[in-house]
Amino acid sequence: GAVVSQHPSRVICKSGTSVKIECRSLDFQATTMFWYRQFPKQSLMLMATSNEGSKATYEQGVEKDKFLINHASLTLSTLTVTSAHPEDSSFYICSATRDRANTGELFFGEGSRLTVL
Amino acid sequence: SQKIEQNSEALNIQEGKTATLTCNYTNYSPAYLQWYRQDPGRGPVFLLLIRENEKEKRKERLKVTFDTTLKQSLFHITASQPADSATYLCALGTSSASKIIFGSGTRLSIRP
Repeated sequence: GAVVSQHPSRVICKSGTSVKIECRSLDFQATTMFWYRQFPKQSLMLMATSNEGSKATYEQGVEKDKFLINHASLTLSTLTVTSAHPEDSSFYICSATRDRANTGELFFGEGSRLTVL
Repeated sequence: SQKIEQNSEALNIQEGKTATLTCNYTNYSPAYLQWYRQDPGRGPVFLLLIRENEKEKRKERLKVTFDTTLKQSLFHITASQPADSATYLCALGTSSASKIIFGSGTRLSIRP
């Protein structure tokens, strides 16, 4: 099956610093990638939809200047949490789809746990 | 407003029994519905997809039903095993949207 790799799996940073998380589709070209955050015992909250070569579409309430998304190629999308604060601590997960109409299976990365001190 | 609800936050059943999880939705017309499994600290893993014109789908010990009249999907695991213990998420997608919306999940525990 298709593999999505996410890096780093865990990161601890000081308040005020920026953290970059990478999401790569290893064996397929991802037409669209999605970024989610998940709090303990809660479901995935979609943050933004990212298409290669175009600006990301952010969900309501998600600050685009806070969570910078870059989708430079069909196999790589990055999420940068800028000036991170403790309330940004969460589990961030990316997913990718091969289906241009996005009507099929999502392939998820393993997630990145961010802890902001 | 659109809402997706999974029947219970947690479900605890005896090994060997059939586990049944429920996903209900309101103010939504999904073109398809998916079920995912998520283990602690890991990303979700796709299990099954069922489309609006399908009533039932099976895959090994898994069975999914989709009732667009009741606006409900049932997810069954037969002959459950402790290894089936995980959180199960339902997700809905429409033909007009480019994103899939997830339910809050049901944490299933199978006791030996």
